Amino acid sequence: GAGVSQTPSNKVTEKGKYVELRCDPISGHTALYWYRQSLGQGPEFLIYFQGTGAADDSGLPNDRFFAVRPEGSVSTLKIQRTERGDSAVYLCASSLQGGFTDTQYFGPGTRLTVL
Amino acid sequence: AQSVTQLGSHVSVSEGALVLLRCNYSSSVPPYLFWYVQYPNQGLQLLLKYTSAATLVKGINGFEAEFKKSETSFHLTKPSAHMSDAAEYFCAVSNTGNQFYFGTGTSLTVIP
Repeated sequence: GAGVSQTPSNKVTEKGKYVELRCDPISGHTALYWYRQSLGQGPEFLIYFQGTGAADDSGLPNDRFFAVRPEGSVSTLKIQRTERGDSAVYLCASSLQGGFTDTQYFGPGTRLTVL
Repeated sequence: AQSVTQLGSHVSVSEGALVLLRCNYSSSVPPYLFWYVQYPNQGLQLLLKYTSAATLVKGINGFEAEFKKSETSFHLTKPSAHMSDAAEYFCAVSNTGNQFYFGTGTSLTVIP
């Protein structure tokens, strides 16, 4: 079956621009996570959705970052006024119900480069 | 606060030799611990997880890990390395199921 997909695979933008990163989770998965992975680092938690609602957004670094999941399936991570420090691989994961006993399935990531 | 520390950002082993990747955790409550593998140009894949059942956890591809509370460790092992095991390995901890904290990763090289 289809896994988690993310588009685009690569995004190059200029400082100050707005970007949207898309995540298509596995069908039927109610939980969705966004992570950011900087070079040489492990994934860093950003936000967790349960259904349509953001159950935990404490990992978002500042108010330039926002994510939505309006129909409980596809999610979009939105970054306003991008900065060079936002350059990283943005990972999305989904799981059937959420929680620590549930396996997260990761997408291949979107590599964001801010020039 | 929770965190994991992976000792050794790069580990090299000969094919057929023991693989040992180290992970120590810090958690104020009983943790749930995970090992993930990331092959080049692929997404992270769960190898195994500890969720307070048996302390010795067996995962995919012959890997296993042992939860040792006294040592706050969750080291990953495999008796005999294969060339296909070359990848980046990440240890992660969670105690809420919402937030997962990952280590900085260990790159495993298998020498033929």
